[in-house]
Amino acid sequence: GQQLNQSPQSMFIQEGEDVSMNCTSSSIFNTWLWYKQEPGEGPVLLIALYKAGELTSNGRLTAQFGITRKDSFLNISASIPSDVGIYFCGAGGGADGLTFGKGTHLIIQP
Amino acid sequence: GAVVSQHPSWVICKSGTSVKIECRSLDFQATTMFWYRQFPKQSLMLMATSNEGSKATYEQGVEKDKFLINHASLTLSTLTVTSAHPEDSSFYICSGLPSGRETQYFGPGTRLLVL
Repeated sequence: GQQLNQSPQSMFIQEGEDVSMNCTSSSIFNTWLWYKQEPGEGPVLLIALYKAGELTSNGRLTAQFGITRKDSFLNISASIPSDVGIYFCGAGGGADGLTFGKGTHLIIQP
Repeated sequence: GAVVSQHPSWVICKSGTSVKIECRSLDFQATTMFWYRQFPKQSLMLMATSNEGSKATYEQGVEKDKFLINHASLTLSTLTVTSAHPEDSSFYICSGLPSGRETQYFGPGTRLLVL
């Protein structure tokens, strides 16, 4: 089946640092989404991307839909303690179920 | 807007029993709902797509007779794990797709532990 390659698997950073993670696929997708999941909870949508090349921001978060439609990145600027969690990329959308990356576990050291 | 609830939030059952999990869209209508399963420290894996008024579509490797899905209304889908076994213990998460929209919204998940 389709798979998304998400990297890095985990990140240990200092508070205030910027964070960058990305997802790639061998298949073309029409929608890329980024979610954050905290322990014991469902994923919460952060940013949704619908057009190739689209760059979208949500506060300190910025995500881009790759021009080839096979990749996306998420940046977090000036990280704060509440950014801790697992970030998942998802691709697909509409009436199709989402394919998820394996997640990036973000750990912030004060 | 776009709030999805799940009930129960956690359940413990004996091996061989059946467990029903409800997924409700609270403030929107969802022609399509999805069921995912997540094992510890792993990603979400799509189990099935639930369409209101029709049979669910299951992903490869997911047994339709073991994971019964009923999408009886535009705001409710249920997943029944029949004859549960310890290997079915997992975090089950549903999502709803608002009609005419492209983005799914997820419920808070149901943690199932089969003893």
